[in-house]
Amino acid sequence: AQSVTQPDIHITVSEGASLELRCNYSYGATPYLFWYVQSPGQGLQLLLKYFSGDTLVQGIKGFEAEFKRSQSSFNLRKPSVHWSDAAEYFCAVGPRYNTDKLIFGTGTRLQVFP
Amino acid sequence: DVKVTQSSRYLVKRTGEKVFLECVQDMDHENMFWYRQDPGLGLRLIYFSYDVKMKEKGDIPEGYSVSREKKERFSLILESASTNQTSMYLCASRPNLHSTDTQYFGPGTRLTVL
Repeated sequence: AQSVTQPDIHITVSEGASLELRCNYSYGATPYLFWYVQSPGQGLQLLLKYFSGDTLVQGIKGFEAEFKRSQSSFNLRKPSVHWSDAAEYFCAVGPRYNTDKLIFGTGTRLQVFP
Repeated sequence: DVKVTQSSRYLVKRTGEKVFLECVQDMDHENMFWYRQDPGLGLRLIYFSYDVKMKEKGDIPEGYSVSREKKERFSLILESASTNQTSMYLCASRPNLHSTDTQYFGPGTRLTVL
C-alpha cells in the first residue's frame, strides 16, 4: 500500500540549532515528493518539491531536502532554525505526472525555544 | 499571487444540519480539492474536481457531496452533519497545464458539530 511516514510527531529545538525532519514513503515507483508547512491558523504552504534530477532540492525560507531512493526517504533540513519556523510540517507524495492524488504524512509539529 | 479563500474560518453547527463550505480561487485553476485534516491522520482527500460540473471521489467521500457550478468556486456539502465530521477542512486548487503544477491551499475552515 502507498503510504508516507513521518516518525516524529513533535520535535523541539533551540533557536539557531540545526533541524532535520524525517519522511519515509512506500510507493510502487519513484513518486513526486513535497514538503508543506502549516503555520498556526494558516493553510498549507509549499516549501519545496522533488520531481527529478538533482536529489538535493532547495526551497523557500532556507529549507532543503534530500531524496534518497535507496532509503525511500525525503528528509527536510535547515542549518539554523528561527523562532518563526515553529509550525507543523507535512511530507507528501504523489504519482508522477499527476499531482492531484497526493498522499500526506501525519505531520511533525516543530517547537522552537529561544 | 494565488489566492484561495474559504468562506468561514470557524463554523459551529448542530447535528443533522445541512452545512455548506465554500471555496473560491482567483487564478483560473482547473482543478480544485477538498481535504479533511485531523490530528494524527494528516490530510485526507474528500473530493476533487477537474472541471465545472465534474467531480471525483477521494479517499473519504462518505457523508459528503460537492458542487462546482463555476470554475472559481467549489463547495463542500454535509447533507446531515454528524459529530464525527468535526474537523479542519482545507480547500486547494491547482492549474492543469503541466503534470508538475502544484496545489495551493486556503486557510481552512474549522467546523465543530455539536
